[in-house]
Amino acid sequence: KQEVTQIPAALSVPEGENLVLNCSFTDSAIYNLQWFRQDPGKGLTSLLLIQSSQREQTSGRLNASLDKSSGRSTLYIAASQPGDSATYLCAGGTNAGKSTFGDGTTLTVKP
Amino acid sequence: EAGVAQSPRYKIIEKRQSVAFWCNPISGHATLYWYQQILGQGPKLLIQFQNNGVVDDSQLPKDRFSAERLKGVDSTLKIQPAKLEDSAVYLCASSLTGTGVYNSPLHFGNGTRLTVT
Repeated sequence: KQEVTQIPAALSVPEGENLVLNCSFTDSAIYNLQWFRQDPGKGLTSLLLIQSSQREQTSGRLNASLDKSSGRSTLYIAASQPGDSATYLCAGGTNAGKSTFGDGTTLTVKP
Repeated sequence: EAGVAQSPRYKIIEKRQSVAFWCNPISGHATLYWYQQILGQGPKLLIQFQNNGVVDDSQLPKDRFSAERLKGVDSTLKIQPAKLEDSAVYLCASSLTGTGVYNSPLHFGNGTRLTVT
């Protein structure tokens, strides 16, 4: 059974700082790894999806990496902005389309 | 493209009452999911549909929860009777994932916030 952990639960950084969010998973037979953003009172928005055959994906200021052997994924945010404040969740997916979510890291970027 | 639509946005009921949630996925998405998200936690899968068939309902409390997906498009999730611990946000998601397409992202609706008093 896949278990996904995100530490820390909360993170506060000053504007402009580069930061890394962590995601750990127990089953290395992961099929894909998705990162999501959730704003208060909203659903989840998909940011990046990394297939098991890939090592990383990039979109704008975001870069996600996947290391199946160590059971880790990271989300790198460059030059953080107050608008990046949100909860970031990762989810490990199977080839049957089932995803297991972590509990998220709540990011606050201070102006 | 239009996103995943859910209604209602909020619902307050008393324990032992019944409630229903509705979801309309993105057009053409074969797979539909219902998740339960308790405050401070990540979403937990309740049920997964592939077209109008159930793929995984192992985490659905079947003594009180039921779900259907009519004609492989819209879906409803029902709780009867509700308990206090059912207070949560119920999220619907859809994806293209299906035969031949296994690596497509999940698209979520804004959810229904249920409060059971």
